[in-house]
Amino acid sequence: EPEVTQTPSHQVTQMGQEVILRCVPISNHLYFYWYRQILGQKVEFLVSFYNNEISEKSEIFDDQFSVERPDGSNFTLKIRSTKLEDSAMYFCASSPYQWAAEQYFGPGTRLTVT
Amino acid sequence: GQQVMQIPQYQHVQEGEDFTTYCNSSTTLSNIQWYKQRPGGHPVFLIQLVKSGEVKKQKRLTFQFGEAKKNSSLHITATQTTDVGTYFCAGPGEGGSEKLVFGKGMKLTVNP
Repeated sequence: EPEVTQTPSHQVTQMGQEVILRCVPISNHLYFYWYRQILGQKVEFLVSFYNNEISEKSEIFDDQFSVERPDGSNFTLKIRSTKLEDSAMYFCASSPYQWAAEQYFGPGTRLTVT
Repeated sequence: GQQVMQIPQYQHVQEGEDFTTYCNSSTTLSNIQWYKQRPGGHPVFLIQLVKSGEVKKQKRLTFQFGEAKKNSSLHITATQTTDVGTYFCAGPGEGGSEKLVFGKGMKLTVNP
């Protein structure tokens, strides 16, 4: 069964450093998302992406964040200058349908900022 | 802003027991989805409900969407240790938003 993959599974970085989190969505899906989950808390929407552009972003997704689909398969989330409060699990998700339909999540990247 | 609330936040049951958990939205939803996250895992899509009053079953799990499309319930019969995890409900954001707004989740533990 097709699944979303994410790399790395765990990233440790120092405050102020740039990180790039990578995702390979399910191949025939057209809608891509990033969510984050601080330990023990709920899943929070960051950004949605369709047709090579951001379609919606949350207030969390400030100028330090960017997303890109550099080729036909990868979908990346970049955090330009990490802060301690960026420590969280970051999930990529994809969907074959629009408008907050069922989404398929990757295994996540645990980001630890020290 | 839009809120999705789940009660209870924690549920501890004996294996074999039945229980129900609830999800309430501050706004009317076009659909509601349920996800399960095993400890250390990622959210896994379980089901989507679209119609007012809709009821769907998956083996021992029964999902219901309220008549007003603002609340939902998940009922599990004969709980098993494999049911352990956190169950999240989620609905679309307001005004045709593409995002999913998740509740805080209901963490289920099962005593064998």
